[in-house]
Amino acid sequence: DAKTTQPPSMDCAEGRAANLPCNHSTISGNEYVYWYRQIHSQGPQYIIHGLKNNETNEMASLIITEDRKSSTLILPHATLRDTAVYYCIALPTGANSKLTFGKGITLSVRP
Amino acid sequence: ETGVTQSPTHLIKTRGQQVTLRCSSQSGHNTVSWYQQALGQGPQFIFQYYREEENGRGNFPPRFSGLQFPNYSSELNVNALELDDSALYLCASSLGVSNQPQHFGDGTRLSIL
Repeated sequence: DAKTTQPPSMDCAEGRAANLPCNHSTISGNEYVYWYRQIHSQGPQYIIHGLKNNETNEMASLIITEDRKSSTLILPHATLRDTAVYYCIALPTGANSKLTFGKGITLSVRP
Repeated sequence: ETGVTQSPTHLIKTRGQQVTLRCSSQSGHNTVSWYQQALGQGPQFIFQYYREEENGRGNFPPRFSGLQFPNYSSELNVNALELDDSALYLCASSLGVSNQPQHFGDGTRLSIL
């Protein structure tokens, strides 16, 4: 599975967009990019995933560069409840869909 | 729709003991994966069960074992507990094994004294 790298932390102001970067320069053509987040004392929560097209759902938008070497998760209007560790994961299609978590990026939303 | 539930929420054991953790998968899901999360780290994959058969295993010794039942609920068993087994154990369920999102429970916090 491709390795992903994320900065250790970032912060943003409540109500502003939070743009969380992820580098996956060795990603292969059959690997999806997944984002999960983990709020303190809870299990990880699925946010969104994509292969090469940009994706949007009720939680966030995922922008994948054309060369697929990096992506950005966008929380359009961050709230205090979005404070969490966000994990970017590259996952190949096919059997045994084990998730390989790194250390993630800690997002702190300030009032 | 009932989400993933795990029991117990907290557990304290001593070295050498055995423990069983339980997971009820989300309605309609037939795949269960188990993860171990040490303090300050991301979750690490232990193994996955699909339709009652093990379908992949991470780098964990054989004293970590599991079961999946016909209703797709699952158990994680750990024998000969060691201090390093202290962690949050997470269960995730999904539909099939091919890139469907995994939905996690809130875990069992296991402390080894």
